[in-house]
Amino acid sequence: DVKVTQSSRYLVKRTGEKVFLECVQDMDHENMFWYRQDPGLGLRLIYFSYDVKMKEKGDIPEGYSVSREKKERFSLILESASTNQTSMYLCASSQPGQLWYSPLHFGNGTRLTVT
Amino acid sequence: AQTVTQSQPEMSVQEAETVTLSCTYDTSENNYYLFWYKQPPSRQMILVIRQEAYKQQNATENRFSVNFQKAAKSFSLKISDSQLGDTAMYFCAFMTTTDSWGKLQFGAGTQVVVTP
Repeated sequence: DVKVTQSSRYLVKRTGEKVFLECVQDMDHENMFWYRQDPGLGLRLIYFSYDVKMKEKGDIPEGYSVSREKKERFSLILESASTNQTSMYLCASSQPGQLWYSPLHFGNGTRLTVT
Repeated sequence: AQTVTQSQPEMSVQEAETVTLSCTYDTSENNYYLFWYKQPPSRQMILVIRQEAYKQQNATENRFSVNFQKAAKSFSLKISDSQLGDTAMYFCAFMTTTDSWGKLQFGAGTQVVVTP
């Protein structure tokens, strides 16, 4: 089974802090994603990466950046956290060629609170 | 751009009963994939069922089945013989067949509560 691990289940940060959310997958997947989940809005794509050092903006990239230095690890960075970034963050991975029968594999989420 | 709409924020059902969740989507594509994901309180997103748009036959996975109406752009999920473990948030999701990365477009979700 694919395992996607997010380093923190809960995180509380102060406004203005630099925040790192870490995600590691163990199945050698090419693609990795960061989604944000908010009530009434569902999941919205922040950024994704299809290879090491490659990244693409999703639907809501403002205020975020990402880093993928190793294939298995994908980091989401909040350069200066703001209260409107309080949310659940979900990491996911996928493998080209398997998207139909095995689409996104998700981590358990990080609930971030910015005070 | 594709949009996915789930119009029911929350639904309650008794054990052993049936509940149907609605999902509509908007796309100009002719072929695509549709999915239902389940997110229980543990937060672990689980793929429940998938449907290819070019297949007429509705997908079924045990107690879960879909009613796919391509012309109406509707993709509802039916949960039969509901169990307490079905309590979860359910998300409808869309993916184009031309997408090589697996970017899914999600709906807002429907919270299903199964009561004894």
